[in-house]
Amino acid sequence: EVQLVESGGGLVQPGGSLRLSCAASGFSFSSYDMHWVRQATGRGLEWVSGLGTFGDTYYPASVRGRFTSSREDAKTSLYLQMSNLRAEDTAVYYCVRGSYCSGRSCYPVGAFDMWGRGTMVTVSS
Amino acid sequence: QSALTQPPSASGSPGQSVTISCTGTSSDVGGHNYVSWYQQHPGKAPKLIIYEVTARPSGVPDRFSGSKFGNTASLTVSGLQTEDEADYYCSSYAGSNDWVFGGGTKLTVL
Repeated sequence: EVQLVESGGGLVQPGGSLRLSCAASGFSFSSYDMHWVRQATGRGLEWVSGLGTFGDTYYPASVRGRFTSSREDAKTSLYLQMSNLRAEDTAVYYCVRGSYCSGRSCYPVGAFDMWGRGTMVTVSS
Repeated sequence: QSALTQPPSASGSPGQSVTISCTGTSSDVGGHNYVSWYQQHPGKAPKLIIYEVTARPSGVPDRFSGSKFGNTASLTVSGLQTEDEADYYCSSYAGSNDWVFGGGTKLTVL
């Protein structure tokens, strides 16, 4: 069974740091792009980071320079290091599977086909 | 990158069809055939129902269909069923390894 399980969420003060983890199982983790997507309570989805199979990383302007994603294929794990956290970063953070990649060819594009249950991050004093 | 524009709500009776729009720009929806749609029931994680504008993952009923014209993508749910009541989100590739979601549409089955 394909499974993504997030952990590491919690309460942190503004300006603080937190590291999220995602344990993947049931598929060839090293062959997939992976992403983090967040959702504030009662709000929509927001893409937070993308991580390619070669370790290339991508971020929207809202978190660039504050968030860093990484992967450890040997442990089939994905991480999100968050620093200088703000109140507006409060959300459920989902670990998401993206495209299957063979070399530099990835498909299908933009199909976020597997989602974890999410981990809650609350930034508050 | 601004969020894609979706109507906040939509509704229909069982058996009817409903279409949800997703409007972007030539930099995202209009510039790439990488629009996807997600269904989210309360308290649950989103589920992929359409990708690459029109493709359906295995297991998704063919009552769900996607299309695109210009900068606007659409999701049509035909033969509405009570279990279709959920929030629906569109997403698009926006170039330069950037992804953007819509604000979401709450679908009510009357």
